Amino acid sequence: DGGITQSPKYLFRKEGQNVTLSCEQNLNHDAMYWYRQDPGQGLRLIYYSQIVNDFQKGDIAEGYSVSREKKESFPLTVTSAQKNPTAFYLCASTPSRLQETQYFGPGTRLLVL
Amino acid sequence: RKEVEQDPGPFNVPEGATVAFNCTYSNSASQSFFWYRQDCRKEPKLLMSVYSSGNEDGRFTAQLNRASQYISLLIRDSKLSDSATYLCVVNTNAGKSTFGDGTTLTVKP
Repeated sequence: DGGITQSPKYLFRKEGQNVTLSCEQNLNHDAMYWYRQDPGQGLRLIYYSQIVNDFQKGDIAEGYSVSREKKESFPLTVTSAQKNPTAFYLCASTPSRLQETQYFGPGTRLLVL
Repeated sequence: RKEVEQDPGPFNVPEGATVAFNCTYSNSASQSFFWYRQDCRKEPKLLMSVYSSGNEDGRFTAQLNRASQYISLLIRDSKLSDSATYLCVVNTNAGKSTFGDGTTLTVKP
């Protein structure tokens, strides 16, 4: 079955620690996205990538970093510079940047200890 | 002012009721519009796209009013399984998606 997987489902971060969230897709989609969702709010774009080895900042990129070394994979690192990382993180993909229906992974909940 | 604003909700309705949600957007360059459904602690899933001519999918009807810059979602004959948060999504022609904060619907027996 084609789809998007995210791991882990829950992640705990200690103060000053960097953590990496995994996102993998086997849909052969070119574009991938990372969103953050806080309780009672919509999704906010952190980073997106249109093609391999290229990515752009979204609306709330500070404290986050990404890489896109393979088409299938778009990991997100939450760095210690992100002072309020507790949120629900969602990865999505589209066939191309200009194609609009987004397919989401199941999400990762990040909690700070 | 947010780029995309939705009815704050929550909406609590009995089974069989008709309920309507509105969503307004501020960017006149917006090109495409969607409603997504998000169940509690799950990822959003596409419910339907919204076309200028309006479109219907079973009990769900979506409308777009470009002049007034709003879209709507009508749910007829509500079912218990319709309980969820409904997200309005607006895309610009550069492919940027902006999400509303969502409207929560609870359908009660």
